[in-house]
Amino acid sequence: QQQVKQSPQSLIVQKGGISIINCAYENTAFDYFPWYQQFPGKGPALLIAIRPDVSEKKEGRFTISFNKSAKQFSLHIMDSQPGDSATYFCAASPGGSNYKLTFGKGTLLTVNP
Amino acid sequence: DAGITQSPRHKVTETGTPVTLRCHQTENHRYMYWYRQDPGHGLRLIHYSYGVKDTDKGEVSDGYSVSRSKTEDFLLTLESATSSQTSVYFCAINDHSGNTIYFGEGSWLTVV
Repeated sequence: QQQVKQSPQSLIVQKGGISIINCAYENTAFDYFPWYQQFPGKGPALLIAIRPDVSEKKEGRFTISFNKSAKQFSLHIMDSQPGDSATYFCAASPGGSNYKLTFGKGTLLTVNP
Repeated sequence: DAGITQSPRHKVTETGTPVTLRCHQTENHRYMYWYRQDPGHGLRLIHYSYGVKDTDKGEVSDGYSVSRSKTEDFLLTLESATSSQTSVYFCAINDHSGNTIYFGEGSWLTVV
């Protein structure tokens, strides 16, 4: 059972465009939803995270939108840059602590110059 | 830099041999994790530890064991490596606030 479903698997965007990656979850006990960014040969790094008490969180060009009733959340990257080219993972954890994250399968984002 | 060191970073081993990967942290965090990353599967939790000598299984624990005799070290052992265990292994730690998991740089393991 895949608890966190991520789409698309890959995404190509032109420089300056908006990149949108979507995730859906099944476990209603999930209470913490981070996004990780991973460059080739490196470990994943926390990009931005949200808890379900808010519907949106913005940090610079990165925004998480959260829809609790639909059990969906998405990452929006505004003004996408070639340096944003990486693999992005959504994740979820229950109970307000993130001691056990369940990850989506990842999205490979390519931003063309 | 989250103070995580994984070793070895790269290893090629033969089927049936034992392999131990080491994760060392300098931040005295309570929680430590081992994940594996495979194309099309994302990151999957193998085992985690919530204190010295306190460990529990993740979703893909078969074929793996772990030990944590000191706060700073979390070892992952493949008792008898198989080709299906060829993967990138990431150690991770949970900071004191519980809000962020930091990953190490990864250990690339090839079982031939």
